[in-house]
Amino acid sequence: SQQGEEDPQALSIQEGENATMNCSYKTSINNLQWYRQNSGRGLVHLILIRSNEREKHSGRLRVTLDTSKKSSSLLITASRAADTASYFCALWTNAGKSTFGDGTTLTVKP
Amino acid sequence: DTAVSQTPKYLVTQMGNDKSIKCEQNLGHDTMYWYKQDSKKFLKIMFSYNNKELIINETVPNRFSPKSPDKAHLNLHINSLELGDSAVYFCASSQDSGLGSLHFGNGTRLTVT
Repeated sequence: SQQGEEDPQALSIQEGENATMNCSYKTSINNLQWYRQNSGRGLVHLILIRSNEREKHSGRLRVTLDTSKKSSSLLITASRAADTASYFCALWTNAGKSTFGDGTTLTVKP
Repeated sequence: DTAVSQTPKYLVTQMGNDKSIKCEQNLGHDTMYWYKQDSKKFLKIMFSYNNKELIINETVPNRFSPKSPDKAHLNLHINSLELGDSAVYFCASSQDSGLGSLHFGNGTRLTVT
C-alpha cells in the first residue's frame, strides 16, 4: 500500500513546546502534502512539498522530505492551544492518485 | 462566500433509503472530489471529476453515483443505504488535475439507522 503511515497517533504537549509528526510511505511520489483538521470541520491545506524538495517553511511550520527514506516530518514550533487538531499527510503519485495517512491527533494544553 | 460548500451538514436516514449530498465550489477549479472519512478518521478517495468527466473511481459500491452537471458542482447520490455507509463525506476541489492542493468542504455527517 502506498498509504502514508503517521506517527505518533496521538501527541500531547504544553503550549510553547514544539510538536513533530512523521509520515512514512512506500511508493514513489510526485508531492506530499500536510493538512490540518479541526474537530467537525474539513481539512485545511498547510504545505505542499515536491519530490525534488527537501525542506519547506510556512510561518511556524517546517516540513522536511527524505525521498531516500520515504519519509516526511511536520514540525510546529512554539505551539499554541489553537494548534490542537488532527494532522494528515497525503501522498500524490505522478498519475495524480492521492492517499491520506491515518493522521496524528495533536493536543496542545494551555 | 464559502469556497467549497456542501449540503446538508447532517443527514440521518434509515437503511434502504436513497439520499443525495450536494457540493458546489466557487474557486473556479477544474477538479472535484468526494472523500469518505470513517469513524477512525481514515480518509479515502471515492471519486474525482475533471471538467465534468470522471477520472478516478475507486472501489466503491455502485450504489454510489456521482453526478457533475457542471465543473462547479459535484453531487453524490447513494442508493439503498446501508449501516456501513455511516461516515463523514467530504467534497473537495483542486486547481490542478490531481497534483495540487485540495480545498475541502466542511463535510456531511451521514448516519444510517
